[in-house]
Amino acid sequence: AQSVTQLDSQVPVFEEAPVELRCNYSSSVSVYLFWYVQYPNQGLQLLLKYLSGSTLVESINGFEAEFNKSQTSFHLRKPSVHISDTAEYFCAVSEGDYKLSFGAGTTVTVRA
Amino acid sequence: DSGVTQTPKHLITATGQRVTLRCSPRSGDLSVYWYQQSLDQGLQFLIQYYNGEERAKGNILERFSAQQFPDLHSELNLSSLELGDSALYFCASSDSSGKGDRSYEQYFGPGTRLTVT
Repeated sequence: AQSVTQLDSQVPVFEEAPVELRCNYSSSVSVYLFWYVQYPNQGLQLLLKYLSGSTLVESINGFEAEFNKSQTSFHLRKPSVHISDTAEYFCAVSEGDYKLSFGAGTTVTVRA
Repeated sequence: DSGVTQTPKHLITATGQRVTLRCSPRSGDLSVYWYQQSLDQGLQFLIQYYNGEERAKGNILERFSAQQFPDLHSELNLSSLELGDSALYFCASSDSSGKGDRSYEQYFGPGTRLTVT
């Protein structure tokens, strides 16, 4: 079975500082990788995805993630965070059969 | 707004009861997924339907069942409810046609918060 590990459950960060959220997965087959964000009392929103091609993928709001096959990782980064980035972030993996396996989530709290 | 709707938003019921959660997918999406989010289990995939047929099953209890109707909306039925079933239940939808990258994107509804007392 697919396993997704998000190494940090809580990440406090100051506004305009960089942040990195770590995600590792276990799979012996090709995978599709996703990051979702969940704002308080809302559903999950897709932030970015890796299916194939360039290992560095970007979102429209400044996040980027890099797929590293040898390390089975898909870490999420943002060079400068805003208060509005306060949310819970979930890494998810699919083995191409569409269903998603999620990590436990990382809560990012941005302070002024 | 993801385009996926779920009703009701909140549901409070007693142990032993049965409830039905409803989901309408985004226009054009053929797949519906159900997920359960709880503090102790995190986000878990329950079941997927594609164009009316069950396609994949995850950690869904035998007391739970789902179906997808011809108009593509889906219902998740939870019966003989226990305290441990209290959770947020999400529905998601996707194209799943396999044509293009966006067919793998899942769009989530706002969820139904179930409280079993």
